[in-house]
Amino acid sequence: AQTVTQSQPEMSVQEAETVTLSCTYDTSESDYYLFWYKQPPSRQMILVIRQEAYKQQNATENRFSVNFQKAAKSFSLKISDSQLGDAAMYFCAYRRDSGGGADGLTFGKGTHLIIQP
Amino acid sequence: GAVVSQHPSRVICKSGTSVKIECRSLDFQATTMFWYRQFPKQSLMLMATSNEGSKATYEQGVEKDKFLINHASLTLSTLTVTSAHPEDSSFYICSARRGSGNTEAFFGQGTRLTVV
Repeated sequence: AQTVTQSQPEMSVQEAETVTLSCTYDTSESDYYLFWYKQPPSRQMILVIRQEAYKQQNATENRFSVNFQKAAKSFSLKISDSQLGDAAMYFCAYRRDSGGGADGLTFGKGTHLIIQP
Repeated sequence: GAVVSQHPSRVICKSGTSVKIECRSLDFQATTMFWYRQFPKQSLMLMATSNEGSKATYEQGVEKDKFLINHASLTLSTLTVTSAHPEDSSFYICSARRGSGNTEAFFGQGTRLTVV
């Protein structure tokens, strides 16, 4: 079974600085997707960024980028120019690609990101 | 973007009663819906996967007779917690996927269930 590990329960960064959240995963599958979700105090899950395992190029979405190391099974999230609105729980998630779309997500335990003004 | 609406957002019920939580995809047809459970300050755990018109697939350790899932239409899935007990108190979140394969799943806003 696949597992997702986030080793940083909490991270703190100064506003406008850059922070990197770590995630490692374990799977025997070759086709899968990796995600970073943000969960603010409202508890609404918001997709931050997605990476397809077959793509070598790291995904980027504005201030958010990932460092995907498939061989090392590592998937870190870098947030540049941190803003107060970035404060939230961040979950790394894995989904295998069985082709039918009926696969749910496996989440890590989350990292609580604090932005210091 | 696609909208998934979950209702109610909060519910309090007495021990031994049943409570139903609805998950609706408002602007798309969801062939697959997922139910997750999140304990305080913890991660989301997948409970079950439901496909329209067929029985739900439950994750190991989830009691299917206690957590009844019905996906009767392409826009609605329900989770019924039967004979609720205080240990069932939790945050329940649904997500819905449009189509299959490389499509994103959208999350509802969640339901906080408190059993007293």
